[in-house]
Amino acid sequence: SQTIHQWPATLVQPVGSPLSLECTVEGTSNPNLYWYRQAAGRGLQLLFYSVGIGQISSEVPQNLSASRPQDRQFILSSKKLLLSDSGFYLCACQDPNQETQYFGPGTRLLVL
Amino acid sequence: KNQVEQSPQSLIILEGKNCTLQCNYTVSPFSNLRWYKQDTGRGPVSLTIMTFSENTKSNGRYTATLDADTKQSSLHITASQLSDSASYICVVSRGPGGGFKTIFGAGTRLFVKA
Repeated sequence: SQTIHQWPATLVQPVGSPLSLECTVEGTSNPNLYWYRQAAGRGLQLLFYSVGIGQISSEVPQNLSASRPQDRQFILSSKKLLLSDSGFYLCACQDPNQETQYFGPGTRLLVL
Repeated sequence: KNQVEQSPQSLIILEGKNCTLQCNYTVSPFSNLRWYKQDTGRGPVSLTIMTFSENTKSNGRYTATLDADTKQSSLHITASQLSDSASYICVVSRGPGGGFKTIFGAGTRLFVKA
């Protein structure tokens, strides 16, 4: 079965600082990978989607970027964080032949 | 417009009682509908997945129903336990596969009290 690792679990960063969140996946090959953001009390918002190495699709214009340097590694980055970037960031993985997405434990980001 | 709406927004029940959560969607073309459970501060965990031809699926004390004609789904929780306190998210996918074609509901926050 698939296992998704995210780190760090919690992060407090000042406004204007850079960001790098990492997600790695075990137990599958060539998965679809996703980054979601969840604001407090709100639904999940899809940020980025990747079907393979170096292939990134962005759903909404924003201050963030994503990269997939390896098959099972997905990175979320920012050059300068904004207060509005605070939230709960979830990485998800999906076998292309299956319908269910599996989620990582999430990273809680607080920008002050 | 492709939307997924869940009700109620939040719900408080006593331990041992049953409850039903609702999900209405306007996503088209429909591929599948999933219910996830998300504990506070954790990632969502899949409970059930149903395709167009399925109208009910169970996972322990959780039973999901789907009416593809009226575009409604429900999640019934039987004999609730304190550990059922969580957010329950309805997710609908368009066409084959998921990805950007997946639409998430805002969730129902369930509180089970002793």
